[in-house]
Amino acid sequence: ETGVTQTPRHLVMGMTNKKSLKCEQHLGHNAMYWYKQSAKKPLELMFVYSLEERVENNSVPSRFSPECPNSSHLFLHLHTLQPEDSALYLCASSQGQGGAFFGQGTRLTVV
Amino acid sequence: GNSVTQMEGPVTLSEEAFLTINCTYTATGYPSLFWYVQYPGEGLQLLLKATKADDKGSNKGFEATYRKETTSFHLEKGSVQVSDSAVYFCALREYGNKLVFGAGTILRVKS
Repeated sequence: ETGVTQTPRHLVMGMTNKKSLKCEQHLGHNAMYWYKQSAKKPLELMFVYSLEERVENNSVPSRFSPECPNSSHLFLHLHTLQPEDSALYLCASSQGQGGAFFGQGTRLTVV
Repeated sequence: GNSVTQMEGPVTLSEEAFLTINCTYTATGYPSLFWYVQYPGEGLQLLLKATKADDKGSNKGFEATYRKETTSFHLEKGSVQVSDSAVYFCALREYGNKLVFGAGTILRVKS
């Protein structure tokens, strides 16, 4: 248990569906992240929120839309995804110069 | 930009063997350095960290020393166990909250 909880753990969606990934942390951290982990590729940072403001957006397609309503919650809204978007999506949080704590991830399959 | 380079895997060892996973980095300034471990089907877990030159991070028998002169942060363990089989990621924290990860090194330990 790392203190970062992601739901759902597994998601299968069609290319025309709309779904959302949820991340929750109760560690009192002030920064939250979305990462994408694909097979045989390095971890890709997608978004960073610091104090609920988006501070990083690494050229992520607009079919991925993050939302950070408060310092404990982070969402990733998905719509009209492509099969190549199938991956493990990891949420993380951190505070100051400490290491980031990761959730267990959501395994997304786009069919 | 900043980057992290890890030795390619997989690394295959027998139980009780000595482990070294090399990690070098390119960065401006003096970033904090981390090792993360990912077990099958799980998210990343922070294994150890070092925040300044010559610091040694250690946890669960693993160690890594922040070497500024060689820009390295090699992971070592004196005697590996089958349960150490996982993927190991070296990472650095840039100015602000962004974590940059290496590609990961698969470790397989045989009994």
